[in-house]
Order: sequence, then C-alpha cells, then structure tokens
Amino acid sequence: SQQGEEDPQALSIQEGENATMNCSYKTSINNLQWYRQNSGRGLVHLILIRSNEREKHSGRLRVTLDTSKKSSSLLITASRAADTASYFCATLNSGNTPLVFGKGTRLSVIA
Amino acid sequence: GAVVSQHPSWVICKSGTSVKIECRSLDFQATTMFWYRQFPKQSLMLMATSNEGSKATYEQGVEKDKFLINHASLTLSTLTVTSAHPEDSSFYICSARDQVSVPTTEAFFGQGTRLTVV
Repeated sequence: SQQGEEDPQALSIQEGENATMNCSYKTSINNLQWYRQNSGRGLVHLILIRSNEREKHSGRLRVTLDTSKKSSSLLITASRAADTASYFCATLNSGNTPLVFGKGTRLSVIA
Repeated sequence: GAVVSQHPSWVICKSGTSVKIECRSLDFQATTMFWYRQFPKQSLMLMATSNEGSKATYEQGVEKDKFLINHASLTLSTLTVTSAHPEDSSFYICSARDQVSVPTTEAFFGQGTRLTVV
C-alpha cells in the first residue's frame, strides 16, 4: 500500500528556478528517503532523513521533515534541464520492513 | 557502495510463457529483498517480500501462484512471472538493504526489468 502522497503531481519550471516537492505520510517512520527516477529507468537514491532530524542538505538538495505534520519537502535549487525526472518519497517504518513509496512528482525543467 | 544487480533489463515474451527475473546483491548479504511493480506514470507498488530460506510474503491482490519468488541464497532472489499475459507488462524492480551493517539505511535498487508480453 502507498503511504506517501506527493504534491504536486507534476511541476514544470524554467532552468535556474527552484523546485519544491512535498510529501505527506500516514504512520510513524524511522526515516524518509527521496529517490529520483528518469523515465523508464531505475531509482537513484538522493537523500535520507531520519525521524529525529529536521533538515538535511546535499549539494543543491534540501530536505525538511516535520514529524508532527507527517510531511517532508524536497527543494532543488538552481534547477537544470538534467533534473527533469520523477521524484518519489519513500518511508521506512523499521529495519526489516519495505520502503513504501508515494505517488511521485514529475518534474520538467525547461532550458 | 552497495550494489544490486537485476537481470534482464528488458524482456519481450509471448503470452502464456514464463519469465524469470534475477536480483543479486553484489557486495552484501540480504536476508530480505523486496519486489516492486511499476505501471507507466505510476509509483512503485510493493508486490512481495522475499525471505531467504522461507516463503515470500505477498501483498494483498498479488497472486502467489502467478508470481513465484525464490530466495535460495543470501545474495539472490528470483521472480518468475508464470503464464504471462499482456496485463502483466510492467516495470519490475527489486530492492535490498544491507541489513547486517545498518538495517535502517537507504535501500539499493536493481536497474529494473521492463517486461512486455505480446
């Protein structure tokens, strides 16, 4: 079953602009992860944020986590055409459980 | 870093035939692997949890007799789509975590298998 709900479902921006994607989930989590998927390809892990963390950075990526609201956001700064892809959040409940994916946001960055 | 290899990356088969997809963890042992299915423009849906040395656990609505999972070793899980039909055409992707070192870490995904049933 899917837990995460991404918002928006699709986002189109100009190169150089920032892109913000949001994710909400329903149950308690151990961590939340963001993945990227180019069309028809496998998944690339972007960043993991643990339930006791509130913000994390990695290059042009910034992730926030609000466990009280059960939500997370992914910010991509200074977007590039190469950032065009689908982005998924995924939550992990505990060590041996599967990741549960959100519906994803399709990002298009126009050069 | 940890690598999960999935093979084949794509396959076309005739309706009624069976297709086997392999998922290997190359540099770590995985007592548990996960199989997902993704239809076009949709998210990944968990099909089943593959457990080394025991039966797989299937999600509701996934036919265990149609999607046979075998996890015979700590580094290999296979998914066999039996008597495939066009509606089984999808992107299948496996996942594993290095549960020995740090269980609650990022999952590593295979490259995925694009199955087309004609």
